Amino acid sequence: GESVGLHLPTLSVQEGDNSIINCAYSNSASDYFIWYKQESGKGPQFIIDIRSNMDKRQGQRVTVLLNKTVKHLSLQIAATQPGDSAVYFCAGDNTGGFKTIFGAGTRLFVKA
Amino acid sequence: DTEVTQTPKHLVMGMTNKKSLKCEQHMGHRAMYWYKQKAKKPPELMFVYSYEKLSINESVPSRFSPECPNSSLLNLHLHALQPEDSALYLCASSLTGTGEKLFFGSGTQLSVL
Repeated sequence: GESVGLHLPTLSVQEGDNSIINCAYSNSASDYFIWYKQESGKGPQFIIDIRSNMDKRQGQRVTVLLNKTVKHLSLQIAATQPGDSAVYFCAGDNTGGFKTIFGAGTRLFVKA
Repeated sequence: DTEVTQTPKHLVMGMTNKKSLKCEQHMGHRAMYWYKQKAKKPPELMFVYSYEKLSINESVPSRFSPECPNSSLLNLHLHALQPEDSALYLCASSLTGTGEKLFFGSGTQLSVL
């Protein structure tokens, strides 16, 4: 079945450094991937997405990389700020389906 | 309006109570979702409604009963819950439901005593 998992449960970075959060997925049918950020007391918030016909997509301070060969996804956050402290989930879906399945999550701590 | 609004924010109920969680969005989205999230865990899909019809039920116990009265509203009726059902219940919506980003509400933190 579908599963989306993360390599590291916690990540601690210095303010101003770049952060990289990794994610592995097992379902080859997944063709749409999303990163969500969840702050304490809030629901997950969309950060960036990528479809399987791409290998890189950039947003404001964030970049998502997709390696379909090894079924690996990563989120890069440039110049990490204290406001980036949160839990980050990768999620996978397939076009034509309604099931967005979440990975285990990585908690990002940003040290001032 | 890009918000998904959930009420109540907190709910404490006994195992014999009946309560309902409510969710509302005015973004014109036609897919709505219920997720359950335990502490320090990812959200787990419970139900999906597409165009006001139940599309997915992830083998959720019948003590949870979803309802979609119209395209903007989603309810989750609770009856005879167990303490292990205590969790954050998240509502989400998306434009049509197929391979799209989800917009989440802030959730209802449910405690079953």
